[in-house]
Amino acid sequence: SQQGEEDPQALSIQEGENATMNCSYKTSINNLQWYRQNSGRGLVHLILIRSNEREKHSGRLRVTLDTSKKSSSLLITASRAADTASYFCATAALGSNYKLTFGKGTLLTVNP
Amino acid sequence: SQTIHQWPATLVQPVGSPLSLECTVEGTSNPNLYWYRQAAGRGLQLLFYSVGIGQISSEVPQNLSASRPQDRQFILSSKKLLLSDSGFYLCAWSARTVRSYEQYFGPGTRLTVT
Repeated sequence: SQQGEEDPQALSIQEGENATMNCSYKTSINNLQWYRQNSGRGLVHLILIRSNEREKHSGRLRVTLDTSKKSSSLLITASRAADTASYFCATAALGSNYKLTFGKGTLLTVNP
Repeated sequence: SQTIHQWPATLVQPVGSPLSLECTVEGTSNPNLYWYRQAAGRGLQLLFYSVGIGQISSEVPQNLSASRPQDRQFILSSKKLLLSDSGFYLCAWSARTVRSYEQYFGPGTRLTVT
């Protein structure tokens, strides 16, 4: 079963705007990761946040984690047309033995 | 640097035919290996994972099987394909020495069963 659920399912914005995607999960986790997938391609790892961290930055990406609410958000600032892709959260449950559980993803469209 | 290869890139097979998809990893040793399937517009479903040669864990009962004949080779097979086996198949690896679980994906194989 799916552990992570992204919200919204689809998001359309203009270039230069910020994009925020949310992820909710159900069980205790070791870490939460965000991946990007361009249409018809493999997934690319973006950022990992551990269960004892609350916020993490990488370039234009900002990830937050609230373990009490079992939720995470991914913020992409100053979006570009090249950011158009599907974004997935993935959780590593405690004791998961290297397995990740992926959500269904958010399709982000950045219009030039 | 590490690279992961999958082939073929696309495949059209009739129902009842066999299947063999191959995945190889370069530039790392002793990786964990994973097979996922992605239905159109959906998330990833973990099918199999392997922590070593000959060690395969199946996540979902199905018409598929996996094998790991060499350290950096992972094969997904079926004896008789079903229509429901259509999808986008992704192979991934993660480093066993680092317990961060970050996974690195191949380019995928688009399988259409007709």
